[in-house]
Amino acid sequence: GAVVSQHPSRVICKSGTSVKIECRSLDFQATTMFWYRQFPKQSLMLMATSNEGSKATYEQGVEKDKFLINHASLTLSTLTVTSAHPEDSSFYICSARDYRASTDTQYFGPGTRLTVL
Amino acid sequence: KNEVEQSPQNLTAQEGEFITINCSYSVGISALHWLQQHPGGGIVSLFMLSSGKKKHGRLIATINIQEKHSSLHITASHPRDSAVYICAVAVNSGGSNYKLTFGKGTLLTVNP
Repeated sequence: GAVVSQHPSRVICKSGTSVKIECRSLDFQATTMFWYRQFPKQSLMLMATSNEGSKATYEQGVEKDKFLINHASLTLSTLTVTSAHPEDSSFYICSARDYRASTDTQYFGPGTRLTVL
Repeated sequence: KNEVEQSPQNLTAQEGEFITINCSYSVGISALHWLQQHPGGGIVSLFMLSSGKKKHGRLIATINIQEKHSSLHITASHPRDSAVYICAVAVNSGGSNYKLTFGKGTLLTVNP
């Protein structure tokens, strides 16, 4: 099946620093990638939809200046958490949509656990 | 009421038992996903369904579009099946765009 990778899998950073998380589709092209956040014992929440070559669409309540998304190629999207604070500590997951599929087909990355000290 | 409801919330079984996890939704969907999340967080896509039934090894997923209901079955359950199982529905958000809405998950524990 299709594979989506995320890097890093875990990151610990100091408050005030920025962290970049990469999401790659390894064997297919993804015109659309999605970024989710999951707090402990909670369901996944969509943060933003990332479209290749255009600006991301953010969900209500998600600060676009804090969570910068870049989708520069058909296989790579990045999420940068700027000026991270402890409350940004969470599990961040991306998914990629296979543009060839006639119905919605999304493949999930393994996630990145961010801890902000 | 959440758009996606899963039941049960928690499920404990003995090794070898047949497991069923249910998912009901209240909106029109284009597809339904079953996901598995192990401790530590990594998510694995198990199935994507838009109709009928799919089988992969000991896992079976069914969907009834008219009744807006899906089930995930695990036959001959094993302790390694212990995980959170999440149902997610794909809803058209305009044009060819879709968004996933997730259920809260079912925590399955299979004891040896």
